[in-house]
Amino acid sequence: QQQVKQSPQSLIVQKGGISIINCAYENTAFDYFPWYQQFPGKGPALLIAIRPDVSEKKEGRFTISFNKSAKQFSLHIMDSQPGDSATYFCAASKGGGADGLTFGKGTHLIIQP
Amino acid sequence: KAGVTQTPRYLIKTRGQQVTLSCSPISGHRSVSWYQQTPGQGLQFLFEYFSETQRNKGNFPGRFSGRQFSNSRSEMNVSTLELGDSALYLCASSDRGGGYGYTFGSGTRLTVV
Repeated sequence: QQQVKQSPQSLIVQKGGISIINCAYENTAFDYFPWYQQFPGKGPALLIAIRPDVSEKKEGRFTISFNKSAKQFSLHIMDSQPGDSATYFCAASKGGGADGLTFGKGTHLIIQP
Repeated sequence: KAGVTQTPRYLIKTRGQQVTLSCSPISGHRSVSWYQQTPGQGLQFLFEYFSETQRNKGNFPGRFSGRQFSNSRSEMNVSTLELGDSALYLCASSDRGGGYGYTFGSGTRLTVV
């Protein structure tokens, strides 16, 4: 059972555009929602994270939007740059991380110059 | 501050053999978690250690085991290797565990032939 569903699988955005990646979760016990960025040959790197008591969090060009009632959250990358081309993973954990992080399947983002 | 160091970076093993992977966390981090990354299953939680104690374990067979030493360094062991164990094995450290604030290493790429 996939508890965190991520879409799209791949995404092509023009330089300067907005990249949007969506995730939906099933388990209402999840209380921590991070996003990770992974470049080829590297491990995932934490980008930004949010808790369900906040509807939006912004750090630089990266924004998480969170909709608790719909059990959905999304990552927006403003003014997308070629250096943002990477694979992005959403994740969720619950109650002290009893089962570690549950990851989405990932989105391969390509920013065209 | 040095990052998370995983050794070796690449391994090729034969079916039936066993393998030990090593992870040195960020200095001061007491939590080490292990994840398996494959194209088909994505990132899956293996286990978490905190101050030398295994706190949580994912849904993997008993062939997968690990331990953590008093200096927080961790090892994971896979016995009786199967072809399906071929994957990127990632280690993540944090100061509080439970999936929060992970810093991942670059991983060990294991190929079973």
